[in-house]
Amino acid sequence: AQTVTQSQPEMSVQEAETVTLSCTYDTSESDYYLFWYKQPPSRQMILVIRQEAYKQQNATENRFSVNFQKAAKSFSLKISDSQLGDAAMYFCAYRSDYGGATNKLIFGTGTLLAVQP
Amino acid sequence: NAGVTQTPKFRVLKTGQSMTLLCAQDMNHEYMYWYRQDPGMGLRLIHYSVGEGTTAKGEVPDGYNVSRLKKQNFLLGLESAAPSQTSVYFCASSYQAGGHLDTQYFGPGTRLTVL
Repeated sequence: AQTVTQSQPEMSVQEAETVTLSCTYDTSESDYYLFWYKQPPSRQMILVIRQEAYKQQNATENRFSVNFQKAAKSFSLKISDSQLGDAAMYFCAYRSDYGGATNKLIFGTGTLLAVQP
Repeated sequence: NAGVTQTPKFRVLKTGQSMTLLCAQDMNHEYMYWYRQDPGMGLRLIHYSVGEGTTAKGEVPDGYNVSRLKKQNFLLGLESAAPSQTSVYFCASSYQAGGHLDTQYFGPGTRLTVL
């Protein structure tokens, strides 16, 4: 079974600085997708970025980028120029590309990011 | 375009009571999901649906039932609530289950407390 591990329960960053959140996963599959979701205090789950395992190029979305290391099964999220609005719980998630509709999202336990002014 | 909405936002139940959580989406998505979120455990899939009239079990289905009578709605029922079902419940929907249109969009969540 696949697992997702986020080893940093809490992180803190100064406004305008850069922070990296870690995520590792365990799988025997070769085709899958990885996601980072943001959950602010409003509880709304918001997709931040996604990465297809078959793509070697790291995904980027404005100030958010990932470092995808397939061999090491590592998927870290880098937030550049941190803003107060980035403060939230961040979840890493895995989804298999096999099995069609049974492909559920498997979530890590989350990292709570605080942004200091 | 409201996206995914959930009703109610908060609810307190006594052990043994029943209730239904409603999820609605206006994006014409085929796939809908119910998750629960517990402290320190991330989100876990309860049930899901691949289209109108279909439902299937997820990772933690015991104690819950679901129905998808209309494409836009996905109901989660608790027939006899237990304190172990105290949690935050999230509904999500997606256009596809795979490929680049598989992104799941989440509702705002329902905080349920069972006393």
